[in-house]
Amino acid sequence: GAVVSQHPSWVICKSGTSVKIECRSLDFQATTMFWYRQFPKQSLMLMATSNEGSKATYEQGVEKDKFLINHASLTLSTLTVTSAHPEDSSFYICSASDRAPYEQYFGPGTRLTVT
Amino acid sequence: GQQLNQSPQSMFIQEGEDVSMNCTSSSIFNTWLWYKQEPGEGPVLLIALYKAGELTSNGRLTAQFGITRKDSFLNISASIPSDVGIYFCAGLSSRAGGTSYGKLTFGQGTILTVHP
Repeated sequence: GAVVSQHPSWVICKSGTSVKIECRSLDFQATTMFWYRQFPKQSLMLMATSNEGSKATYEQGVEKDKFLINHASLTLSTLTVTSAHPEDSSFYICSASDRAPYEQYFGPGTRLTVT
Repeated sequence: GQQLNQSPQSMFIQEGEDVSMNCTSSSIFNTWLWYKQEPGEGPVLLIALYKAGELTSNGRLTAQFGITRKDSFLNISASIPSDVGIYFCAGLSSRAGGTSYGKLTFGQGTILTVHP
């Protein structure tokens, strides 16, 4: 149980384009989903928290107009990186929780490379 | 903000040896979690601790939630090559109404290398 998937697992895009990453909870309903960013050999940095049907809450320093988050259903959240630049290249990981504030289950991550 | 100090940063051990790593916090957490992350993958939950003083095992893994609620340790006994990876501790904020409610604060990670 508690399986979270992400799609795509990796993506390469050109600078200036937008990329959408999906996060799905496969066997439970996720009331809350979280989006993290991780640079090589570093820890996970929380970008935003999203609750189904409401606007995402962004962490300080994260541009909400650049990282658009939609949590339209209890099993799906999407992160769209708009007008991507090379510095946006990173490993993006989502997590889901079915009963805040308890443990989160993580997706396998999406490797984004912006050229 | 909340910070977790995790140590050691890395460990190089021989197969069969026991491993110990710990996390300390400047503030109290009501739940401590330990995750393992392998290259190119997301973190996988190993052990969750919900009560101060709690000692929990999962196979060769044992973790404890410190009495002060500001620390936790993870032990791995009789390590094997597939134990390699990065281990993260995480504190979960469960104080309702707070801005950190439901959020995880991660330690810096411990990179474990096991030599056969």
